[in-house]
Amino acid sequence: AQSVSQHNHHVILSEAASLELGCNYSYGGTVNLFWYVQYPGQHLQLLLKYFSGDPLVKGIKGFEAEFIKSKFSFNLRKPSVQWSDTAEYFCAVNAGLTGTYKYIFGTGTRLKVLA
Amino acid sequence: DTGVSQDPRHKITKRGQNVTFRCDPISEHNRLYWYRQTLGQGPEFLTYFQNEAQLEKSRLLSDRFSAERPKGSFSTLEIQRTEQGDSAMYLCASSLETGVGNSPLHFGNGTRLTVT
Repeated sequence: AQSVSQHNHHVILSEAASLELGCNYSYGGTVNLFWYVQYPGQHLQLLLKYFSGDPLVKGIKGFEAEFIKSKFSFNLRKPSVQWSDTAEYFCAVNAGLTGTYKYIFGTGTRLKVLA
Repeated sequence: DTGVSQDPRHKITKRGQNVTFRCDPISEHNRLYWYRQTLGQGPEFLTYFQNEAQLEKSRLLSDRFSAERPKGSFSTLEIQRTEQGDSAMYLCASSLETGVGNSPLHFGNGTRLTVT
């Protein structure tokens, strides 16, 4: 069965600090990977996705993520965070053609950026 | 794109009562998903539809839960004989799936259920 692990549950950073949030998944086949963000009081929104090609993908608001197949990882990064990045971040995976189309989410990382 | 809408936004019910939630997906989307989210957890998969067909249902879902998407458009999620453990945010999401699973989910704002 697929699973997703996000090891950082709470992260506190000052503005301009660099961010890296970890995401590891367990599934031996081809996967599609996603990062979603939930700002306070808002619904979940897509930040970026990877399904093939360049393992370094860029998303909205300066976020990027790198797929490392050998490590089953899809870590989210941002070089310089802003106060407005305060939100909860979720990593998700689905196995698409080779498995199930259900999206499995991690437990989330709550990011607080101090002004 | 008017987004995914869910109704009601909040529902408070007494234990043992039945509740029904509605989800209206983005109109051209063929896939519709239901998730449940509790505090400190990520969205937990419940079930999903391809048009009107329910393709997968979580093994964790008791038979008190049922979902329908009768005409391949809106969907309803019913919980019978509610229990306090059913208190959660119920999320609906839709996608336009082309067959390879890389279409992102578009989420609604959710229905928050409180069982007293």
